[in-house]
Amino acid sequence: QVHPVQSGAEVKKPGASVKVSCKLSGTTLTEISMHWVRQAPGKGLEWMGGFDPENDGIVYPQNFQDRVTLTEDTSTNTAYMELSSLRYEDTAVYYCATESIGFDSWGQGTLVTVSS
Amino acid sequence: SYELTQLPSVSVAPGETAMITCGGDNIGDKMVNWYQQKPGQAPIRVIYYVNDRPSGIPERFSGSNSGNTATLTISRVDAGDEADYYCQVWDSSNYHRVFGGGTKLTVL
Repeated sequence: QVHPVQSGAEVKKPGASVKVSCKLSGTTLTEISMHWVRQAPGKGLEWMGGFDPENDGIVYPQNFQDRVTLTEDTSTNTAYMELSSLRYEDTAVYYCATESIGFDSWGQGTLVTVSS
Repeated sequence: SYELTQLPSVSVAPGETAMITCGGDNIGDKMVNWYQQKPGQAPIRVIYYVNDRPSGIPERFSGSNSGNTATLTISRVDAGDEADYYCQVWDSSNYHRVFGGGTKLTVL
């Protein structure tokens, strides 16, 4: 069974960067596509980017393209999401999710709080 | 960019049928996935490829898709179905994944 496990909660100051990890078990990063989704308090799900097999590369929505970097370490089977130039409105729960047919396995979520 | 529209809330009595809609331009041409999210929990996929159910999802959950509207139907609703529901598609024009704004299902 595919099981992503994410790193713990973070508190960051405006302008800083945060890097969230997502360690995968039950499969390998080379066999699936990993994506990231965030959810601000009381808000809906927002896709942040991920690997697209059709494009054979990582794709980002325009509103995150300049600030998000998604990377993978296949030696440890861990994916990373780094968000830079943090703003108060980046306070949210960040999820990693594997994609086969839709997002089929989700991490438990990582709360990132941006506060001065 | 492609957009999906969902009503913010739907209410239904126990035992009745809930229909949660997702609107998008020619969404009938796309494969739609649906997710259920309960408070404090990560989403779970309840429908994929329009009307397929992952293992463990009750047969009460079904999907349909035609024209500009996709629908998640939950029959014989019970209190355990109370949650937020999100539709999602893959936009082939730019490889983006798109979520609807979510619908809060309240069981009266």
